[in-house]
Amino acid sequence: DAGVTQSPTHLIKTRGQHVTLRCSPISGHKSVSWYQQVLGQGPQFIFQYYEKEERGRGNFPDRFSARQFPNYSSELNVNALLLGDSALYLCASSFAAGRNQPQHFGDGTRLSIL
Amino acid sequence: GENVEQHPSTLSVQEGDSAVIKCTYSDSASNYFPWYKQELGKRPQLIIDIRSNVGEKKDQRIAVTLNKTAKHFSLHITETQPEDSAVYFCAAPLGDGGATNKLIFGTGTLLAVQP
Repeated sequence: DAGVTQSPTHLIKTRGQHVTLRCSPISGHKSVSWYQQVLGQGPQFIFQYYEKEERGRGNFPDRFSARQFPNYSSELNVNALLLGDSALYLCASSFAAGRNQPQHFGDGTRLSIL
Repeated sequence: GENVEQHPSTLSVQEGDSAVIKCTYSDSASNYFPWYKQELGKRPQLIIDIRSNVGEKKDQRIAVTLNKTAKHFSLHITETQPEDSAVYFCAAPLGDGGATNKLIFGTGTLLAVQP
């Protein structure tokens, strides 16, 4: 079975641009969460979506937004990119939305801002 | 506040020795504690997890113990091998009153297994 898939794998943007990152969850998983991982640190929670509804939002500015589609895939959008947005963006899927659900990560999208 | 403390930040062991990584969490309502292994340039991989209704869980060479009273949990790796070398993260679902599955991650432990 395919795991969590993310695209693109790498992306280079300049300040002020916007970016869209994509994620397909494990088949049968209905919850998708997005995390940002800066080099040398653990992942930080950005959003959780379940059944196309936002379930939670981390401490990130409004430049970050996301959505989930009827097939449970998800997009993360970041506007007005800043140098500090350079990071590995990880998508994790779980079967359900609860806090004791195992989350499985994709390989991530490495975003570099010049 | 929401916090997961992880120690040590680096750990070097000889092949065959045991390694122990410890984490402390702040939210007494947390009931699920996963451990992730992340090799350089790769995704965090879920290697073991434990729920609050048990005190210990084992899977071959790895085990996790949980002390809910003290709010800490530990990862134990026995008979370490060079391929165990990676960064290990503990995590706990904190805050939100259970509305989300947001995980708060520890700061990571770089484990180096010397052949």
